[in-house]
Amino acid sequence: GAVVSQHPSRVICKSGTSVKIECRSLDFQATTMFWYRQFPKKSLMLMATSNEGSKATYEQGVEKDKFLINHASLTLSTLTVTSAQPEDSSFYICSVGGETDTQYFGPGTRLTVL
Amino acid sequence: GENVEQHPSTLSVQEGDSAVIKCTYSDSASNYFPWYKQELGKRPQLIIDIRSNVGEKKDQRIAVTLNKTAKHFSLHITETQPEDSAVYFCAATSGGYQKVTFGTGTKLQVIP
Repeated sequence: GAVVSQHPSRVICKSGTSVKIECRSLDFQATTMFWYRQFPKKSLMLMATSNEGSKATYEQGVEKDKFLINHASLTLSTLTVTSAQPEDSSFYICSVGGETDTQYFGPGTRLTVL
Repeated sequence: GENVEQHPSTLSVQEGDSAVIKCTYSDSASNYFPWYKQELGKRPQLIIDIRSNVGEKKDQRIAVTLNKTAKHFSLHITETQPEDSAVYFCAATSGGYQKVTFGTGTKLQVIP
């Protein structure tokens, strides 16, 4: 299956700062990537679908101006949490989808906003 | 859109017993149903999957059944071991380029 990495694995920041999370598909050209958010003891909630070379598709209730997604190449998608607030603290996970049905997940990024 | 319900939310079994987790879905267009195991702080790991043209699939101690007419599918773990303790998520999707909708998760505890 596809190998997916994320960076950073953990980040702590002050309120009001912006945080960029990278998702890389190491061995697969990913035209589509997905970004999820997972709160403690909760399920994965899809935030947006990232399409290479075009605008991301956001799920209902997700602010596109707050969670900026850029999918500039077939191996890299980035999620930027702008003006992060404590309520944005969560586990952010990306996944890679493709011609096979299976999606492969990155290791996740734990964001803590103080 | 798709809605996936999962039961139970927690499940405790004695080591060696079987565990069953059940899910239902709403969108008849969904045709691929993966199951993921997630350990604390880690990424979800695919443990088994089933496609809509198959009614049952087995891989060693793990099996999944699908009733497409009733729109429900189940995960069966036999001879449970302590290392099976984790949170399990069912999911439904209509393809690799399509979004995956996850169930709410089941925390499985296997008691030695």
